[in-house]
Amino acid sequence: DGGITQSPKYLFRKEGQNVTLSCEQNLNHDAMYWYRQDPGQGLRLIYYSQIVNDFQKGDIAEGYSVSREKKESFPLTVTSAQKNPTAFYLCASSIAGGYGEKLFFGSGTQLSVL
Amino acid sequence: SQQGEEDPQALSIQEGENATMNCSYKTSINNLQWYRQNSGRGLVHLILIRSNEREKHSGRLRVTLDTSKKSSSLLITASRAADTASYFCATAVYNFNKFYFGSGTKLNVKP
Repeated sequence: DGGITQSPKYLFRKEGQNVTLSCEQNLNHDAMYWYRQDPGQGLRLIYYSQIVNDFQKGDIAEGYSVSREKKESFPLTVTSAQKNPTAFYLCASSIAGGYGEKLFFGSGTQLSVL
Repeated sequence: SQQGEEDPQALSIQEGENATMNCSYKTSINNLQWYRQNSGRGLVHLILIRSNEREKHSGRLRVTLDTSKKSSSLLITASRAADTASYFCATAVYNFNKFYFGSGTKLNVKP
């Protein structure tokens, strides 16, 4: 079945540690996105990528990094510089960026600080 | 901020009743979309309405868009307990690769 797979479902980070969240899609979509969701809040855009080897900062990129070496994969690293990383992280994709087409979401990763 | 705002923040109704939730936004848009999120899960796309459309239907869903008032509404008719979820509106802005999400309406449908 086509879709977006996020892993792990739960992740714990120790102080000073970098952690990487995985996002893989087999929908052949060009655009991929990372969102952060805090309890009772909407989604805030961290990074997005329209094509391979290119990505852009969203509204809350500080303390995060991404790469887009393959069309199918868009991993997110939460660095030690992100002082409040506890949140629900959602990866999404769309057919192409820039046209406002619908987003397909993964099932999310809950990141907590030990 | 471009982010939309949903109203009400929470809504509790009986099964069989209709549920209406509203979304307001701030700048010109390409389209507006509604998504549903079950607790602890990802979002699922429900319906998309373009800026040149005024109303759209999909099954028990009816969406309206008023670009002059920068607002949209989502109506769920004959609600079911399985409709219990949070509902978000998202606006797609012209020439940008961003979608701006509101803070959501939490719907509880009591059996």
